[in-house]
Amino acid sequence: QITLKESGPTLVKPTQTLTLTCTFSEFSLITTGVGVGWIRQPPGRALEWLAHIYWNDNKYYSTSLKTRLTITKDTSRNQVVLTMTNMDPVDTATYYCARLNGNNHYSFDYWGPGILVTVSS
Amino acid sequence: DIQMTQSPYSLSASVGDRVTITCRASQSISSNLNWYQQKQGKAPKLLISAASSLQSGVPSRFSGSGSGTDFTLTISSLQPEDFATYYCQQSYHSLTYSFGQGTKLEI
Repeated sequence: QITLKESGPTLVKPTQTLTLTCTFSEFSLITTGVGVGWIRQPPGRALEWLAHIYWNDNKYYSTSLKTRLTITKDTSRNQVVLTMTNMDPVDTATYYCARLNGNNHYSFDYWGPGILVTVSS
Repeated sequence: DIQMTQSPYSLSASVGDRVTITCRASQSISSNLNWYQQKQGKAPKLLISAASSLQSGVPSRFSGSGSGTDFTLTISSLQPEDFATYYCQQSYHSLTYSFGQGTKLEI
C-alpha cells in the first residue's frame, strides 16, 4: 500500500526558512517515470502546485516561487525535502506531498494527509 | 504558464441530479488533464487522468471528456458522498503543472 506523509514545523516565523520532508513507502524514486511533488492549499482556497522532482533528479518549480524553493530527494531513505525561504504570513497553508506518476499521464495519484504550516510571529 | 479556469465556482444540486463541471485551459493541452475530488479536511483524490481515464475504484457515474482547451467532468447521478470540491489539473509539459480554482458542489 503506497503511503506518503509530510513532516516538519507547524509554526514558523516570518523571514524564516521552512523545511518539509515527505517520507514515502511502497514505491521508489529510482523507478522510471515516477516523481514526488509538493502542492499547497491556503485555508479555504485552491490547490497550488509548488515543485516536483523526478526519478532522474530533474526538478521543476512554480514560476512565481522558484527563487524561494529547493527540492531534493534521498532515494535511500525514501524521502523528498522541500525548502522554502523567506516565509511570509501569506504562505500559511496545508502543504501536501504526492506521488507523480508519469506512467499514469503525469497525475498525482497518491497523496499524503498534509501538514498545516502557520506563518506568524 | 498555462492557466486553468473552472466553471462554475460553486454548484448546488440534489441527490440523483446529473451535473457537469467545466475546465478550460489557456492553451491547448491535448488530453493532459486530470480531475481530483477533495472532501473537507482531506487530501485530494485522483478521479480521472488523461481527460477520460477513470481510476480504479472510482464509481462509473464519474466520467470525463474533452481535449485541446475544453474539458468536462460529469457525475451522472449524484450520491450523498459526491458533495465535495473538484479540481482540474493540467500536466501538458510534464514540467510545470497548474490546478483550476476548484468547483464546490453543495447540496
